[in-house]
Amino acid sequence: EAGVAQSPRYKIIEKRQSVAFWCNPISGHATLYWYQQILGQGPKLLIQFQNNGVVDDSQLPKDRFSAERLKGVDSTLKIQPAKLEDSAVYLCASSLGGVSEKLFFGSGTQLSVL
Amino acid sequence: DQQVKQNSPSLSVQEGRISILNCDYTNSMFDYFLWYKKYPAEGPTFLISISSIKDKNEDGRFTVFLNKSAKHLSLHIVPSQPGDSAVYFCAASDDLSEGSARQLTFGSGTQLTVLP
Repeated sequence: EAGVAQSPRYKIIEKRQSVAFWCNPISGHATLYWYQQILGQGPKLLIQFQNNGVVDDSQLPKDRFSAERLKGVDSTLKIQPAKLEDSAVYLCASSLGGVSEKLFFGSGTQLSVL
Repeated sequence: DQQVKQNSPSLSVQEGRISILNCDYTNSMFDYFLWYKKYPAEGPTFLISISSIKDKNEDGRFTVFLNKSAKHLSLHIVPSQPGDSAVYFCAASDDLSEGSARQLTFGSGTQLTVLP
């Protein structure tokens, strides 16, 4: 079974530039999550999709972050404009949905904002 | 406000000995707890979980203990192996998602190093 795919693996940008991350979840997984992991901290939920609808985006900084899930499968997370404090690993995860608690994570995108 | 806390950033253990990783939580609505393991440059992978109706769950060398009254859980690894060296995250979820898939709240992680 293929895992959660993310790209790119690494990205270096300057502040005020824009950046986009892509995620392809495990086939058949209805729920998709984007997490932000700052160095030395645990992953923090940014947004949760159920199929192509948003379940929770309460912790997404909507003035600069946006996310969409195309046709209930792939998802993109965008930051525009980036700030220094956005430097982090951005993790995509998926699950079967419903009451399944087990999340499967991708390898993440390491973002450095200079 | 950290609802899930892992107060030990790091732990070193000799190969063959027991590793004990601890986690505390503050949200009494949490009813499901998980441990994830993370190697460098990889995403977290699920290790073991426990429901709040249990106080112990065992899977091979890994055992998770839950003390609801103390809002504390621990992960025991016996015997520890060098390949267990990784960051371990404690995570918790509640039943407030109204039918949608649950969200996980993570602790800050503990770096376990198993020395040969």
